[in-house]
Amino acid sequence: DAGVTQSPTHLIKTRGQQVTLRCSPKSGHDTVSWYQQALGQGPQFIFQYYEEEERQRGNFPDRFSGHQFPNYSSELNVNALLLGDSALYLCASSYQGVNNEKLFFGSGTQLSVL
Amino acid sequence: GNSVTQMEGPVTLSEEAFLTINCTYTATGYPSLFWYVQYPGEGLQLLLKATKADDKGSNKGFEATYRKETTSFHLEKGSVQVSDSAVYFCALSDNTNAGKSTFGDGTTLTVKP
Repeated sequence: DAGVTQSPTHLIKTRGQQVTLRCSPKSGHDTVSWYQQALGQGPQFIFQYYEEEERQRGNFPDRFSGHQFPNYSSELNVNALLLGDSALYLCASSYQGVNNEKLFFGSGTQLSVL
Repeated sequence: GNSVTQMEGPVTLSEEAFLTINCTYTATGYPSLFWYVQYPGEGLQLLLKATKADDKGSNKGFEATYRKETTSFHLEKGSVQVSDSAVYFCALSDNTNAGKSTFGDGTTLTVKP
């Protein structure tokens, strides 16, 4: 049973470019949450997708957008990249059922903006 | 808003030493509390959780008790091993949506043989 998978594992972009990160949730999960983890800090919640809609959003600008597909996989898009967007981006999946508290995380995408 | 404060690291211990990593929180209502562990090159893994006051979460020899009166959720282990070397994160969420969790900044633990 595959867990949460993210691609790519590493990415290098320059300022002003756009980037798309991808996430496939754990089998049986229907909800995807995205987090940004800067070096030496804890993950910060970006947004969450459920039933192909953004359900909750953290304190991130509109440059950060996302999408969820019918198969529950998700994309995170960041436009007009800034140096400060360099971070590890984590995807977490869960099931909106009885035990909706258990989050499973992927290994992340390390984004470097030059 | 919600916030989590962890003791600053890094923490270096000898094998079989006792471990405590302090965690305090600020939240409205009655959040669920979690400890996650991140091994090098891997994603976060849920270590243990507690969903209401006085609950004790435990796993792999680690324990933490939900203390509402002191708004704390300190992580403890009686005898650490080299394999416990990792970064530990305390987190909270409201009881309806663990997907939107608030994390502390993490504490790096290094255990030496």
